Amino acid sequence: DGGITQSPKYLFRKEGQNVTLSCEQNLNHDAMYWYRQDPGQGLRLIYYSQIVNDFQKGDIAEGYSVSREKKESFPLTVTSAQKNPTAFYLCASSIFWNTEAFFGQGTRLTVV
Amino acid sequence: ELKVEQNPLFLSMQEGKNYTIYCNYSTTSDRLYWYRQDPGKSLESLFVLLSNGAVKQEGRLMASLDTKARLSTLHITAAVHDLSATYFCASAPNRDDKIIFGKGTRLHILP
Repeated sequence: DGGITQSPKYLFRKEGQNVTLSCEQNLNHDAMYWYRQDPGQGLRLIYYSQIVNDFQKGDIAEGYSVSREKKESFPLTVTSAQKNPTAFYLCASSIFWNTEAFFGQGTRLTVV
Repeated sequence: ELKVEQNPLFLSMQEGKNYTIYCNYSTTSDRLYWYRQDPGKSLESLFVLLSNGAVKQEGRLMASLDTKARLSTLHITAAVHDLSATYFCASAPNRDDKIIFGKGTRLHILP
């Protein structure tokens, strides 16, 4: 089955710890995105990648980092510099940049 | 910068009723997307509208786009409880700019 897989579904982070959220797609899509969603809010763009080996900061990139070494993979690292990381993180992909996006199931990150 | 505003942000309605969710955007745009999100779940693509006057329907949901008014609507006909969800619209000014999401309309349909 083609789709976007995010893991883990739930993640707990201690203060001062870096954590990495996985996002894999087998849709052969060029573009991939990371969004953050806070309760009762819309989606805010963290990072995006229009093509493999390239990525750009979105609206709220501070405290996050990404890589795009393979077309199918776009992992997101939440660093200790992100002071309020508790949120629902959504990865998405689209066949080309800014076309219809398809979303993974999300990772809920909680700081403990 | 493009702003996308949805109205209302919260809607509680009875089963069997009709209602419309509005999505206004602030600059010209050549694309409009509608997504559905169930509580604690991801977003599911519902409609993609790419031209003025475009209308798409799926079951009890119908979406339309008026690019001159910078307005898209999502109309719900004879609502059923299963349509309870949060609905997002999203748009981009053009092919090169990032897609901006509205804050979402939380729809609660009472049995």
